[in-house]
Amino acid sequence: GAGVSQSPSNKVTEKGKDVELRCDPISGHTALYWYRQSLGQGLEFLIYFQGNSAPDKSGLPSDRFSAERTGGSVSTLTIQRTQQEDSAVYLCASSLIGSGSGDTQYFGPGTRLTVL
Amino acid sequence: AQSVTQLGSHVSVSEGALVLLRCNYSSSVPPYLFWYVQYPNQGLQLLLKYTSAATLVKGINGFEAEFKKSETSFHLTKPSAHMSDAAEYFCAVSEVNSGYSTLTFGKGTMLLVSP
Repeated sequence: GAGVSQSPSNKVTEKGKDVELRCDPISGHTALYWYRQSLGQGLEFLIYFQGNSAPDKSGLPSDRFSAERTGGSVSTLTIQRTQQEDSAVYLCASSLIGSGSGDTQYFGPGTRLTVL
Repeated sequence: AQSVTQLGSHVSVSEGALVLLRCNYSSSVPPYLFWYVQYPNQGLQLLLKYTSAATLVKGINGFEAEFKKSETSFHLTKPSAHMSDAAEYFCAVSEVNSGYSTLTFGKGTMLLVSP
């Protein structure tokens, strides 16, 4: 079946512009996660959704970052007034339930964001 | 708080040689442990996971990992490396946090395979 998809695959933007990154999870998965992968920082957790609600936003690095999920499916991560340090690969993952530590997260291919 | 340490940011082996990628974790509760692989310009693919059913876990592509509680380790091995195994490997630990699970990743180990 279809896996997690993300768009765009690459995004180049100028400092100060806003960007939106999209994630389509596996159909039927109630949990959705965003991570950021950057050189030197590894993989960082950003935010978790259970259905349309986000009980954990603790990983968002600043108030320029926000995310929403609609219809228990598609999620968008928005970065306002982008800075060069926002350059990274943004990965989305989904899992069936979210609760329970054995729940496997399935990852999308990522969006590579470059801020000039 | 949970954490993961992967020893060696890069590991080089010859084709046909044993692959050993090291992972140590810390967790305040019995952990769930995962190994993911990332090929260039791709997302993370699950190799295997430990969920307390058996200490020796077999995964895809001939990889396996052994959970050793006394050593807090979950090292990844493969008897014979293939060129196609060249990729970055991530170890991760999962804990339940306020009713849901989060993954904490190690820094990753790049596996280089030479002919």
